[in-house]
Amino acid sequence: EAGVTQFPSHSVIEKGQTVTLRCDPISGHDNLYWYRRVMGKEIKFLLHFVKESKQDESGMPNNRFLAERTGGTYSTLKVQPAELEDSGVYFCASSLRDGPYEQYFGPGTRLTVT
Amino acid sequence: GENVEQHPSTLSVQEGDSAVIKCTYSDSASNYFPWYKQELGKRPQLIIDIRSNVGEKKDQRIAVTLNKTAKHFSLHITETQPEDSAVYFCAALLGGNTPLVFGKGTRLSVIA
Repeated sequence: EAGVTQFPSHSVIEKGQTVTLRCDPISGHDNLYWYRRVMGKEIKFLLHFVKESKQDESGMPNNRFLAERTGGTYSTLKVQPAELEDSGVYFCASSLRDGPYEQYFGPGTRLTVT
Repeated sequence: GENVEQHPSTLSVQEGDSAVIKCTYSDSASNYFPWYKQELGKRPQLIIDIRSNVGEKKDQRIAVTLNKTAKHFSLHITETQPEDSAVYFCAALLGGNTPLVFGKGTRLSVIA
């Protein structure tokens, strides 16, 4: 079974540009989470989808971040316009809706805003 | 909301020695505590987890203990090997399909 995949693995953009990150969860996993790790700090929650619905977006830093999960399969996270403080590693994780609790992580997208 | 503290931030041990990483959490309603290992450039990988109805869980050289009264849990690695070198994250979850709250990570170096 394929694990969680993310694309791209790295992205370097200039301040003010737009970037879209993609996450493909494990097939059959209704829960999809986005997390971010800024250099040297903890992994922090951004938002949570159950199928195509946003269950919790309390961790989204501001309205420059837009996440979608059309059709309840893959998800995209768009940052527009990017700022320097958006640099970090963006992780996606997925889990089964009805348990168990285990969340499986993707390899992450390293975003660098210059 | 939940807050997870993790110590130490870095840990160096000699190969063959044991390593212990400790975490505390703030919300007594949290009921699931996973540990993730992240090797350089790779994804965080779930290595062991424990639920609040269990005090200890072992899997070969790794074990996790949970003290619900004190609200802390620990990762124990015995007979460490160089391939155990990585960043380890603890996390807590309030239950169900809620998001994980992570500690800041511990960089473990096993010196051969």
